[in-house]
Amino acid sequence: KAGVTQTPRYLIKTRGQQVTLSCSPISGHRSVSWYQQTPGQGLQFLFEYFSETQRNKGNFPGRFSGRQFSNSRSEMNVSTLELGDSALYLCASSLDRTDTSPLHFGNGTRLTVT
Amino acid sequence: DQQVKQNSPSLSVQEGRISILNCDYTNSMFDYFLWYKKYPAEGPTFLISISSIKDKNEDGRFTVFLNKSAKHLSLHIVPSQPGDSAVYFCAAESNYQLIWGAGTKLIIKP
Repeated sequence: KAGVTQTPRYLIKTRGQQVTLSCSPISGHRSVSWYQQTPGQGLQFLFEYFSETQRNKGNFPGRFSGRQFSNSRSEMNVSTLELGDSALYLCASSLDRTDTSPLHFGNGTRLTVT
Repeated sequence: DQQVKQNSPSLSVQEGRISILNCDYTNSMFDYFLWYKKYPAEGPTFLISISSIKDKNEDGRFTVFLNKSAKHLSLHIVPSQPGDSAVYFCAAESNYQLIWGAGTKLIIKP
């Protein structure tokens, strides 16, 4: 079974631009979550989608948005990029967000904003 | 306000000895706790979990202990192996949301 696939692996953008990151979950997984990881900050939850609906949202500004398609693939968009948005963005999928369904992470997209 | 704290940024342990990673939390509504391990350039991988109704869960070399009164959990790795060198994150779940600690870098010395 293929794992969670995130594209692209690396991205360099300049301030003010917008960016779209893509995530393909494990086949059969309907829940997709997005996280931002910065050094010393752990993983900060962005949002979670289940069956094309945003089920939960973290404490990030409206510049961060996402969506999920009918095949469970998900995209995350960041508009008007700021230097502080430089981070590793991780996508994780699970069958559902329950105690018995741990998250499976992709290898992330490393975004650098200059 | 950090609801989940891993106060040790790094930990160095001799190969073959016990590694103990600690995690503290503030929210008594958390009902599930998980440990993930992360190698550089890879996403975190699930290691072990524990429900809030239990105080111990064991899986091979890995044991997680939960002390609800102290709002503290720990991960024990026995014996520690070189491949255990990684960053370990604890996470707590409530209402479909995981709150993560900042991670502890474990270094296993040969």
